[in-house]
Amino acid sequence: GAVVSQHPSRVICKSGTSVKIECRSLDFQATTMFWYRQFPKQSLMLMATSNEGSKATYEQGVEKDKFLINHASLTLSTLTVTSAHPEDSSFYICSAINPGTLDYNEQFFGPGTRLTVL
Amino acid sequence: GDSVTQMEGPVTLSEEAFLTINCTYTATGYPSLFWYVQYPGEGLQLLLKATKADDKGSNKGFEATYRKETTSFHLEKGSVQVSDSAVYFCALSFTGNQFYFGTGTSLTVIP
Repeated sequence: GAVVSQHPSRVICKSGTSVKIECRSLDFQATTMFWYRQFPKQSLMLMATSNEGSKATYEQGVEKDKFLINHASLTLSTLTVTSAHPEDSSFYICSAINPGTLDYNEQFFGPGTRLTVL
Repeated sequence: GDSVTQMEGPVTLSEEAFLTINCTYTATGYPSLFWYVQYPGEGLQLLLKATKADDKGSNKGFEATYRKETTSFHLEKGSVQVSDSAVYFCALSFTGNQFYFGTGTSLTVIP
């Protein structure tokens, strides 16, 4: 249980285009999901916290107009990178909390999406 | 502020060697502590966790003990295998909402 999927796993796009990444909780309802960004050989940087039915909370320094987050249902959150540029190339990882478990501290991570902007 | 510091890598070991990856934390309260593992091209997987002082988390031969007095959560394994090659992240969280990750330690195990 507590499986999180992401789609696509890899995407290559041209500079200036927008890319949407989906994060789904497959066997539980996630009221809260998180989006992280990981640069090569570095740790995860929290970008935003996504709450179902409300606006996402962005971390300092993350452009909310560039990284659009929508959490329209209890099993799906999307991250859209708008007008992507080469510096947006990165590994994007989502995670979710399963409120149905006794341990509310654990986050379940998706497999990540490798974005390459040409 | 709250943070996690873990030993820099990369670490290269021979198969069956003993592994220690150091992790220390700074926190204003008593967080839960985690070790996550990331295999090449994949997301993070929870390896083990401890929610209070003196707890020992263990999984797949890996162990870590929550030491409040030294604010540490060092990862150990008695005999590593080639399949343990991955990046290991130490992390802390108070509520599950805000996770603080270390920079990761890359481990390569050679036959």
